[in-house]
Amino acid sequence: DTAVSQTPKYLVTQMGNDKSIKCEQNLGHDTMYWYKQDSKKFLKIMFSYNNKELIINETVPNRFSPKSPDKAHLNLHINSLELGDSAVYFCASSQEVRDGPQHFGDGTRLSIL
Amino acid sequence: GNSVTQMEGPVTLSEEAFLTINCTYTATGYPSLFWYVQYPGEGLQLLLKATKADDKGSNKGFEATYRKETTSFHLEKGSVQVSDSAVYFCALRGGSNYKLTFGKGTLLTVNP
Repeated sequence: DTAVSQTPKYLVTQMGNDKSIKCEQNLGHDTMYWYKQDSKKFLKIMFSYNNKELIINETVPNRFSPKSPDKAHLNLHINSLELGDSAVYFCASSQEVRDGPQHFGDGTRLSIL
Repeated sequence: GNSVTQMEGPVTLSEEAFLTINCTYTATGYPSLFWYVQYPGEGLQLLLKATKADDKGSNKGFEATYRKETTSFHLEKGSVQVSDSAVYFCALRGGSNYKLTFGKGTLLTVNP
């Protein structure tokens, strides 16, 4: 019954590696998002997809590449991981309306050794 | 562009105390306003929302009123519980791409 699920929950890896985080929503929403939350709890939007099309692409290194195979899935691939990439990454989804709240997954804690 | 400013924490209260977390915003047009809560180790959950001026959002004893004249959306609760300990985020949604803009979050700790 999980509305927005992301895997894995924890990811520990070394600098320079490539990793992916997967996200799926079963709410029938047409828009999905990736956020990065730093150690001070500050949330920054990274990407947003509406019906598989990229609509928000904030200033994010091009080592980060989102992929949306269908509107229920939005995966995040990260190349050449760096120490500064350590954070909690949240996936979210919503309907694309002004008063539509976003529903968040439980987060993926990425730790770079 | 849109922005949200909320009071910096951490805020520490005793159980049954009154809570206010201030939030002010800058936006073009008529945004929708939200409060989200993040419990330890979890994702954000919608706590309440208001979509037009003078609307009051409420949930779980929390309230916030959309004040267009003061561009504010302060969160209040009359009597906090230990289980309310969490990080609270004020947010607005507006603009051409309906991007959600968050404040920096306020950590609330309630002691028994």
